[in-house]
Amino acid sequence: AQSVTQLDSQVPVFEEAPVELRCNYSSSVSVYLFWYVQYPNQGLQLLLKYLSGSTLVKGINGFEAEFNKSQTSFHLRKPSVHISDTAEYFCAVGRNSGGSNYKLTFGKGTLLTVNP
Amino acid sequence: DGGITQSPKYLFRKEGQNVTLSCEQNLNHDAMYWYRQDPGQGLRLIYYSQIVNDFQKGDIAEGYSVSREKKESFPLTVTSAQKNPTAFYLCASSIQIVGEQYFGPGTRLTVT
Repeated sequence: AQSVTQLDSQVPVFEEAPVELRCNYSSSVSVYLFWYVQYPNQGLQLLLKYLSGSTLVKGINGFEAEFNKSQTSFHLRKPSVHISDTAEYFCAVGRNSGGSNYKLTFGKGTLLTVNP
Repeated sequence: DGGITQSPKYLFRKEGQNVTLSCEQNLNHDAMYWYRQDPGQGLRLIYYSQIVNDFQKGDIAEGYSVSREKKESFPLTVTSAQKNPTAFYLCASSIQIVGEQYFGPGTRLTVT
């Protein structure tokens, strides 16, 4: 079975500061990794994904994440946040093996609050 | 525009009533999913379907039922057997091989 741990349930930061949202996963097989963002009372929107290749992945809205296989991590970063980045962020892992790779396991989310 | 629609956005029901949540997609995706979201618990998988006329239970299927008669549609019924039905329900779809999921806007169900 696979699992995802988002190490911080809430992260408050000031506008224009850098931010890192942490995600660790466990899986016995190779994985796909995703970060999603959710604004209040809305669905989830894909920020970025790691399927294979370069371990540094760039996404929308200036976010990026780095896949670290040895540390089983996929931390999300942004060098300078805006008020509009205030939202909940979810890390998700999918199995890259056989017929089960359509199922994603989600972390419990990290609420990013950007203060002026 | 391609996407996933869920209706209604807000739904209110009395305890003991069954209620059906709609999910439609025009992305031509084979796989569809239903998740339940509660504060602080992330997303939990209720049911998923890889192809028409086939679906499997997820992690919290008790008290729910689904059907997949058309590729575009995957309705979820919350039955009176579901002990705590009040939640935010999200529908998603994906191209089977890649695994990236696209989400609808969600339906907030309140049962009193």
